[in-house]
Amino acid sequence: QSVLTQPPSVSGAPGQRVTISCTGSSSNIGAGYDVHWYQQLPGTAPKLLIYANSNRPSGVPDRFSGSKSGTSASLAITGLQAEDEADYYCQSYDSSLSGSLFGGGTKLTVL
Amino acid sequence: EVQLMESGGGLVQPGGSLRLSCAASGFTFSTYWMHWVRQVPGRGLVWVSRISSDGSMTNYADSVKGRFTISRDNAKNTLYLQMNSLKAEDTAVYFCARAGSAWYSFDYWGQGTLVTVSS
Repeated sequence: QSVLTQPPSVSGAPGQRVTISCTGSSSNIGAGYDVHWYQQLPGTAPKLLIYANSNRPSGVPDRFSGSKSGTSASLAITGLQAEDEADYYCQSYDSSLSGSLFGGGTKLTVL
Repeated sequence: EVQLMESGGGLVQPGGSLRLSCAASGFTFSTYWMHWVRQVPGRGLVWVSRISSDGSMTNYADSVKGRFTISRDNAKNTLYLQMNSLKAEDTAVYFCARAGSAWYSFDYWGQGTLVTVSS
């Protein structure tokens, strides 16, 4: 089954570190396909946050980092700020679907 | 500055058709693959379709295959999504997105256009 599983929600206090996991399978992350992460602020379009597992586009703070291992990937956010409150999505290619696959999204709440 | 601006959304009856457009500016449109992604309000993102830079190759999600057609006019810097035989479950905000440097990444997104399929 082609699914990327993310926790529905995570939370943390300002200044803390949080991680968001993304678990896939042998047809997507486990097959070696890159994982990308997007941030979607309320009422706006998604924004590319991390590409190819661990690379930040220009302008993305280094508080955001990504990693990948086996069939899973993670997004870490350090030094949490109120402005980080958003939905975060992982995404990869899936060979069974012959197309892109998004995780269900994780809502980050900054306490 | 890269800009993508969707238009053409609206209310359509089940079984009807609609064509979405995505006007691109700020980059050499004809050299980039482009995608459509949709999102039911309050729900997650779902990839819909992609098209090669010259329009010769297309791919679709199974849920829209045979009903939706992606195309582009590089002379007009515009991406299209022709949606036929629309169903209630096609109701969503439709985003166009530019393909990024990494495989199947999307580096720039439009603001989206809402399609509502309802009688």
